[in-house]
Amino acid sequence: GQSLEQPSEVTAVEGAIVQINCTYQTSGFYGLSWYQQHDGGAPTFLSYNALDGLEETGRFSSFLSRSDSYGYLLLQELQMKDSASYFCAVRSSGGYNKLIFGAGTRLAVHP
Amino acid sequence: EAQVTQNPRYLITVTGKKLTVTCSQNMNHEYMSWYRQDPGLGLRQIYYSMNVEVTDKGDVPEGYKVSRKEKRNFPLILESPSPNQTSLYFCASSLIYEQYFGPGTRLTVT
Repeated sequence: GQSLEQPSEVTAVEGAIVQINCTYQTSGFYGLSWYQQHDGGAPTFLSYNALDGLEETGRFSSFLSRSDSYGYLLLQELQMKDSASYFCAVRSSGGYNKLIFGAGTRLAVHP
Repeated sequence: EAQVTQNPRYLITVTGKKLTVTCSQNMNHEYMSWYRQDPGLGLRQIYYSMNVEVTDKGDVPEGYKVSRKEKRNFPLILESPSPNQTSLYFCASSLIYEQYFGPGTRLTVT
């Protein structure tokens, strides 16, 4: 079957750096995305990696290693507003638009 | 304002009573999709559509129907809802890989 694994919870303090890992097992692969979801809100897009390497967008960076079926989201200079759930998602076989999500990582940022 | 809208936002219904959740986007996106979100399971794709009159099953299509007669609209139809379809539903649209999600519809089937 197809699956994505990510930690269920991560805790950090303001100003710190946190890394959320995602390993995937899918029958095909077109790219890895990351989404953020605050409690009671809708998911919002953070980043997308189709090729190996690091993509940086402000305080957030995302990394992909296709040979290891692994990626991570790096959040720097953590702020209280970063407390949310973070989901990795893979475009896999069955079509470019067939998306599989991980169960999500709940990040709690403390003062 | 670019957005995806869903209606209703909250719905409580009874088993077997047909319902439709509407989804509309104003960004002229070709791709639209429906997801359900349950605690501990993340988002699971129900159906997606790559353009008008083109739809395909996601991972959990059983008990759902969709239609795409216009580019902007992608309604989700539950012909005979059951309690296991109690969930939070999201509609999304995208041009390429960045998906824009609607605000969600919380459905309770008793």
